Amino acid sequence: KAGVTQTPRYLIKTRGQQVTLSCSPISGHRSVSWYQQTPGQGLQFLFEYFSETQRNKGNFPGRFSGRQFSNSRSEMNVSTLELGDSALYLCASSSGGRVQFFGPGTRLTVL
Amino acid sequence: AQSVTQLGSHVSVSEGALVLLRCNYSSSVPPYLFWYVQYPNQGLQLLLKYTSAATLVKGINGFEAEFKKSETSFHLTKPSAHMSDAAEYFCAVSDGRQGAQKLVFGQGTRLTINP
Repeated sequence: KAGVTQTPRYLIKTRGQQVTLSCSPISGHRSVSWYQQTPGQGLQFLFEYFSETQRNKGNFPGRFSGRQFSNSRSEMNVSTLELGDSALYLCASSSGGRVQFFGPGTRLTVL
Repeated sequence: AQSVTQLGSHVSVSEGALVLLRCNYSSSVPPYLFWYVQYPNQGLQLLLKYTSAATLVKGINGFEAEFKKSETSFHLTKPSAHMSDAAEYFCAVSDGRQGAQKLVFGQGTRLTINP
């Protein structure tokens, strides 16, 4: 089975722009979660989608949003980018059990 | 609220020596606990998981961890370190409630192996 894939792997944006990141889960997995990883804050949970519905949400501002499609693929969007949004964004998928499988991440740099 | 504390942001051991990475958790419900490893420029790879079965959990690459409820700990060990073990290790806790997929991570421990 193919693992979790994320596109693009690297992205450079400027402040004020918006960005969309994509995640394709492992085939058959219906839960997709997103995490932000920064040197200062570590790994933080953004949100989780299951069957096209947001099921859990972390403590991030409304500029961070996501969605899930009927094929379980997920996108996250960050609007009005700030320098502090520079991070590695990780997507993880789960079959509904306790284990989450992570993708390689998208490294976002905001200039 | 759940939390995880990893003692030691950097650990350095010699090749062939014992690896011990410490993790303590806080959870108001029975926890599910995980150790993940991250190599440079990669995502997280699951090493092992505790899901309320055996308290001693064996994972990949020779790693194991022991769940100790009385100490609220889930330390990761490997009897003999290998150069390829150099990476960053994260302990994480998940709310045991059905359907809860949120992982709360510790700050990570960077493991260095000296030849």
